[in-house]
Amino acid sequence: NAGVTQTPKFQVLKTGQSMTLQCAQDMNHNSMYWYRQDPGMGLRLIYYSASEGTTDKGEVPNGYNVSRLNKREFSLRLESAAPSQTSVYFCASSEMDRNSPLHFGNGTRLTVT
Amino acid sequence: RKEVEQDPGPFNVPEGATVAFNCTYSNSASQSFFWYRQDCRKEPKLLMSVYSSGNEDGRFTAQLNRASQYISLLIRDSKLSDSATYLCVVNPAGTASKLTFGTGTRLQVTL
Repeated sequence: NAGVTQTPKFQVLKTGQSMTLQCAQDMNHNSMYWYRQDPGMGLRLIYYSASEGTTDKGEVPNGYNVSRLNKREFSLRLESAAPSQTSVYFCASSEMDRNSPLHFGNGTRLTVT
Repeated sequence: RKEVEQDPGPFNVPEGATVAFNCTYSNSASQSFFWYRQDCRKEPKLLMSVYSSGNEDGRFTAQLNRASQYISLLIRDSKLSDSATYLCVVNPAGTASKLTFGTGTRLQVTL
């Protein structure tokens, strides 16, 4: 009963490097999300996918791209990492994109030096 | 004014105490409300949804006051294991993509 699985758990990048954060859910949820969490701020939505085949920008999309590979998987890519992208990243899923609670993965701690 | 505001705390309470947190929201058209719990360096987990008539789950009671635009969480008979950060989450538009998270209220329950 894995729920939402994120990899990696930790990552250190140098400025300008690229990486992809992976996320998979086994709950047959339609909607998936990527958030970042910074000290003193609430979780902020980066990108989301309301259903397989669609992706949309959230509140803070700049510097990121996403791919909804299939119903289970939703990846987040940093093409050219910047120190401002140092954060904790959470993937989440929900049954539908309406009034359904979110189920979160256990996070990726990313440091960009 | 922030869309969702919470007192960051920390609230330090002894075991067995009753503690309450409030959360105010700015959008009067908000449609759904949740409390999430987040342990240190862990992911948020849904604690409970908040219904218009108020709802209870064991030692936890959630209330919604639409007139004053706040939600509350009451924890009775606090346990050491209740120590965590409690996130208020408001949905202004009915879609999860519009969920707005508060910065959280930290609770520390002590012996």
